[in-house]
This record gives sequence, C-alpha cells and structure tokens, in this order.
Amino acid sequence: EVQLVESGGGLVQPGGSLRLSCAASGFTVSTNYMSWVRQVPGKGLEWVSIIYTGGNTYYADSVKGRFTISRDNSKNTLYLQMNSLRPEDTALYYCVWVSTVTKWYFDLWGRGTLVTVSS
Amino acid sequence: IQMTQSPSSLSASVRDRVTITCRASQDISNNLGWYQQTPGKAPKLLIYAASTLQSGVPSGFSGSGSGTDFTLTISSLQPEDFATYYCVQFQSYPWTFGQGTKVEIK
Repeated sequence: EVQLVESGGGLVQPGGSLRLSCAASGFTVSTNYMSWVRQVPGKGLEWVSIIYTGGNTYYADSVKGRFTISRDNSKNTLYLQMNSLRPEDTALYYCVWVSTVTKWYFDLWGRGTLVTVSS
Repeated sequence: IQMTQSPSSLSASVRDRVTITCRASQDISNNLGWYQQTPGKAPKLLIYAASTLQSGVPSGFSGSGSGTDFTLTISSLQPEDFATYYCVQFQSYPWTFGQGTKVEIK
C-alpha cells in the first residue's frame, strides 16, 4: 500500500527545535519530489518546503533559514528539521508526495503530525 | 503570488449547483489545483492543471480557467460534498493556497 506516515510532532518551547519524520511505503522518496504543508487547526493550508529528486530545496519565506528539509534514502524517509521555533509555527504538518508527471500537484498526503510551540 | 478565493463560505442544498472562484494576483497559466478537505482529514485532490479531473473523483466536479481566473463547479451538490475547498497555485515558489471556501448545508 502506498502511504505516508508522519511522526515527531509534540509540544516544544519557543526557540526550541523539533525534527519531523515521514516514512514512505509503496514508493521511493528519493526518486520523487516531496513536500511539507502545514495547517493551523481550524485555519487554511500553507506550503512549507519541497525537495527535488536532485536534492534542490525551496522554502516558504516564513520558515527560510529556520527549517531544513532532507531525506534518508536508506530509510525511505523524509525529514523536516525545525529550529528557532515560534508560536506561529504551531500547526498540523503534512508530508506530501508531489506529482510532476504532466503538471505539478500534491498527490498523496499523510495524516499529519501536530506541532505545538508554547511555553 | 496571492490567491483570492470567493466566497469564503456558502450555504447550499443537496442538488444545488455550486461555483467557487479563485483569482491569482498574476498569470499562473493552468498551474492550479483544487482540493477538498473534510474535518479531521487530509486534503483530497479533485482537479489538477486547472481542469483535469483526478482519477476516481466524481464527474460532477469540474474546473475551468487559465491565467488569473479559475472556477470550481459542483454540478449537483451531494451530502458528501459538504466540506472546505482550496485552490493552490504551482506556477512559482512559494506555492500559495487560497483561504478556502466552506460549503455548508442550508
């Protein structure tokens, strides 16, 4: 079965760090474009970051310089390292497989992992 | 690129025709997707490339538009269609979503 399972969320103090993981099954992370999208509970969606098959990465301005997207090919896992966390980073973080076959779009989503930044 | 969705919410009855619009602040060609989200669930792809229906999505959903103005139409609203709908542009980074349209039961 093709699926994405996020983990690593939790409660962290402002200024703290957290690493989210996304374990993929049924396809290979390294040969696909992968992204993170977040959603404040009850609010809208915000794209966070993307990693290309070749390793290029892009970020939303709101997280640039604080967040780092990466992957471990041996574990078929995507990561999001989040440093200098702020209360406004509180959200449900989704791991997403990005399709680029004809046009770009978010294809497969995980169920999300909740990050709460609070003292 | 800013994506402006309208309306932010609407009330409709089963079998109503519903139209949601999304306007981009600059030309995004047809690099737009539409997603449906129900409470507690991840978003689900309905339409990509502005007008291509994702496999498995009921034919009552359709998308149109190119450039800056886009439309999602539900031809006959079904009980399972009451949800929040989002557009998103894939033209350039940062990818941006519309603020969402909540479709509620009248």
